Amino acid sequence: AQKVTQAQTEISVVEKEDVTLDCVYETRDTTYYLFWYKQPPSGELVFLIRRNSFDEQNEISGRYSWNFQKSTSSFNFTITASQVVDSAVYFCALSYGTGFQKLVFGTGTRLLVSP
Amino acid sequence: DSGVTQTPKHLITATGQRVTLRCSPRSGDLSVYWYQQSLDQGLQFLIQYYNGEERAKGNILERFSAQQFPDLHSELNLSSLELGDSALYFCASSEVAQSTDTQYFGPGTRLTVL
Repeated sequence: AQKVTQAQTEISVVEKEDVTLDCVYETRDTTYYLFWYKQPPSGELVFLIRRNSFDEQNEISGRYSWNFQKSTSSFNFTITASQVVDSAVYFCALSYGTGFQKLVFGTGTRLLVSP
Repeated sequence: DSGVTQTPKHLITATGQRVTLRCSPRSGDLSVYWYQQSLDQGLQFLIQYYNGEERAKGNILERFSAQQFPDLHSELNLSSLELGDSALYFCASSEVAQSTDTQYFGPGTRLTVL
């Protein structure tokens, strides 16, 4: 079965701290895609990144970086020098196989960044 | 702003009633998806349409139905509403309907059933 686990329910940090959000996935497919979405307090879901299963290169975008490791089935997300505006719920998601896309979401990690 | 629009933003109604949620996908996107986000169930896929045709169904109740119109906008109809249907309903769109796609989400419609 396809599954995404975000074991961290809530993380609290102080501004400027680095924080890593964990994501572990399960799938039997060799072709799959991993995503991170951000849900700020306003409620919308904002796309952050997509990685495919054949590309294990880490990615950095400003203060955000992602570490994809197939050996541990993990796709972790690190925010460097966190800011109050980073406070949100972050979801990891998986789409798999070919044909139509169905996203399977993790339960989300709530990040609280205090000043 | 993802380019996906949803109306209304908030909806308050009573048990037993019927409501319609509307979604306009991003320009050029042919595929529309509906999701329900509730406290106890998390984010659940409901149904997908591609260019007017239903492509996939998830955990959608029989009381719920959807359609995609020729102009590609979509509507989600919820009937015989129950208290447990209170949730945030998201629409997402993508270019086609492949697993390679990225889904872009609208701002959501918050439904409250009293």
